[in-house]
Amino acid sequence: AQKVTQAQTEISVVEKEDVTLDCVYETRDTTYYLFWYKQPPSGELVFLIRRNSFDEQNEISGRYSWNFQKSTSSFNFTITASQVVDSAVYFCALSEAGYSTLTFGKGTMLLVSP
Amino acid sequence: NAGVTQTPKFQVLKTGQSMTLQCAQDMNHEYMSWYRQDPGMGLRLIHYSVGAGITDQGEVPNGYNVSRSTTEDFPLRLLSAAPSQTSVYFCASSHTGVEDTQYFGPGTRLTVL
Repeated sequence: AQKVTQAQTEISVVEKEDVTLDCVYETRDTTYYLFWYKQPPSGELVFLIRRNSFDEQNEISGRYSWNFQKSTSSFNFTITASQVVDSAVYFCALSEAGYSTLTFGKGTMLLVSP
Repeated sequence: NAGVTQTPKFQVLKTGQSMTLQCAQDMNHEYMSWYRQDPGMGLRLIHYSVGAGITDQGEVPNGYNVSRSTTEDFPLRLLSAAPSQTSVYFCASSHTGVEDTQYFGPGTRLTVL
């Protein structure tokens, strides 16, 4: 069965610090998809990134970067020079090819203080 | 496009009452799903649909019913509300399935007294 673990329940940083959110997943499939979503205090879920299991290239989007390592079953998310607006709950999620369900981790709450 | 819309935004029920949470999307997406979000539990899948007329259970389906008569709409019915169903409910859709990016509605906050 697929499983996503976000071991960090809450992280507090000061503005401009770099922060990494960990995501470890379990799957029996060789084809799968990984996602990160952001949930700001307003409550909506905002899509950040989608990655398939055959693409291990790291990705950078502005201050955001993602490190996908199949060898350790991890898909970690780094925010560089954090800002107060980055304060949110961040969810990692996994889907397997051939299945119709998306499994979420329990989320990491990031608090960025000025 | 309005994307994924959900109504109502807030609802208070008494134990035993029934109600329907509405979800609609205007992106012609085949896949739609319902999640509930509880503190410390992340999002858990209730039911999903891979197309009109096709639905299936997710991780926590008990106490909920769904139907999909059109591509656009995917209502979630609470048959007899219980306090354990107090939660925030999110509807999501994607073009073909879970391998695609899920677009989420704004959520419905439900309280069952």
